[in-house]
Amino acid sequence: RKEVEQDPGPFNVPEGATVAFNCTYSNSASQSFFWYRQDCRKEPKLLMSVYSSGNEDGRFTAQLNRASQYISLLIRDSKLSDSATYLCVVRNTGGFKTIFGAGTRLFVKA
Amino acid sequence: EPEVTQTPSHQVTQMGQEVILRCVPISNHLYFYWYRQILGQKVEFLVSFYNNEISEKSEIFDDQFSVERPDGSNFTLKIRSTKLEDSAMYFCASSEGPRFLEQYFGPGTRLTVT
Repeated sequence: RKEVEQDPGPFNVPEGATVAFNCTYSNSASQSFFWYRQDCRKEPKLLMSVYSSGNEDGRFTAQLNRASQYISLLIRDSKLSDSATYLCVVRNTGGFKTIFGAGTRLFVKA
Repeated sequence: EPEVTQTPSHQVTQMGQEVILRCVPISNHLYFYWYRQILGQKVEFLVSFYNNEISEKSEIFDDQFSVERPDGSNFTLKIRSTKLEDSAMYFCASSEGPRFLEQYFGPGTRLTVT
């Protein structure tokens, strides 16, 4: 089983749609969780950290379910500029190693 | 807004040559990282560095790799004898603290080994 698994995508959605990304992680000792976005041939950019209580930043909502080892990201009212690859990122307790998922590509169409 | 910078943006080298990739982390950050991303593949952790020593490294980070903080601002990744399979984008990142805190990435250096 992969350490961090994401929906392979790509997701093709119209502007204004709501889109959800899912991610599962294999190590129950994982401690920190993040969503990054990556545009083609660019660096990963932090989108948001994911907390146990869930958190929201504008159109973006992240949820964590430790029992199921599952993380989600919801984007509401998609914009053309949301087109990117969304990366699920996990860091394990007691270590510095950061594990990236393979990413899910999102295309938002006019 | 402070940012991580990396030089050069693109480096072409011949197999067997040594390369040094340079990074200037965000100034008040204490933890530094190198990652690589082979074209079309996922981002992979190479090494983390704190207090002038390696705090963790992956199985990719073998003896041909080394890191250094030669002065108060630069953080370098050296590849001693490059191989074709070292061709990738190399990203530097930094964070204020470990584990729980967010890492901020530089724009990357594209390394092409011919």
